[in-house]
Amino acid sequence: ETGVTQTPRHLVMGMTNKKSLKCEQHLGHNAMYWYKQSAKKPLELMFVYSLEERVENNSVPSRFSPECPNSSHLFLHLHTLQPEDSALYLCASSRGLAENTGELFFGEGSRLTVL
Amino acid sequence: GQNIDQPTEMTATEGAIVQINCTYQTSGFNGLFWYQQHAGEAPTFLSYNVLDGLEEKGRFSSFLSRSKGYSYLLLKELQMKDSASYLCAVRTGGSYIPTFGRGTSLIVHP
Repeated sequence: ETGVTQTPRHLVMGMTNKKSLKCEQHLGHNAMYWYKQSAKKPLELMFVYSLEERVENNSVPSRFSPECPNSSHLFLHLHTLQPEDSALYLCASSRGLAENTGELFFGEGSRLTVL
Repeated sequence: GQNIDQPTEMTATEGAIVQINCTYQTSGFNGLFWYQQHAGEAPTFLSYNVLDGLEEKGRFSSFLSRSKGYSYLLLKELQMKDSASYLCAVRTGGSYIPTFGRGTSLIVHP
């Protein structure tokens, strides 16, 4: 139990569907992240929010749309995805962006399959 | 950008010692992390090095040489539960956000 909860854990969607991934952290952290994890590839940073402001958008296609309504919640809205978007989507949080150790606390991920 | 390299897979025997290497090329180095990820689970933080030398934490130790762009994670008295993927991540001062390597899948066998 890392204090970061992601739902749903598994999601199957067609290319024309719209769905959302949800992340909630109970750690009082100020920074939240979305990472994409595909087989045989490094963790890819997608978005970073600090104090509910987006501070990094790592050239992610517009079919992925993040939302951070408050410092405890982070969403990833998905629409018109492609099969190559199938991956494990990991949410993480940290105390802040410039903290000493900057340790990330990860959720267990949402396994997405796009048909 | 950053180039982080670590072996794809390693195998070791229960009770033995294993060293997982990570090399990196980056500018403005500001810390190196090791994370452990069991299959189907969240990555969890193992260690953080920002100065040269060895940091020991129980059975796990992490070493850093900034001049060589090199780190290793040392696991002693291996247990079956140590079978996992070990992720090396490097942070630069400009970004504060770590960039991850591909991970090393460690298989511990009896």
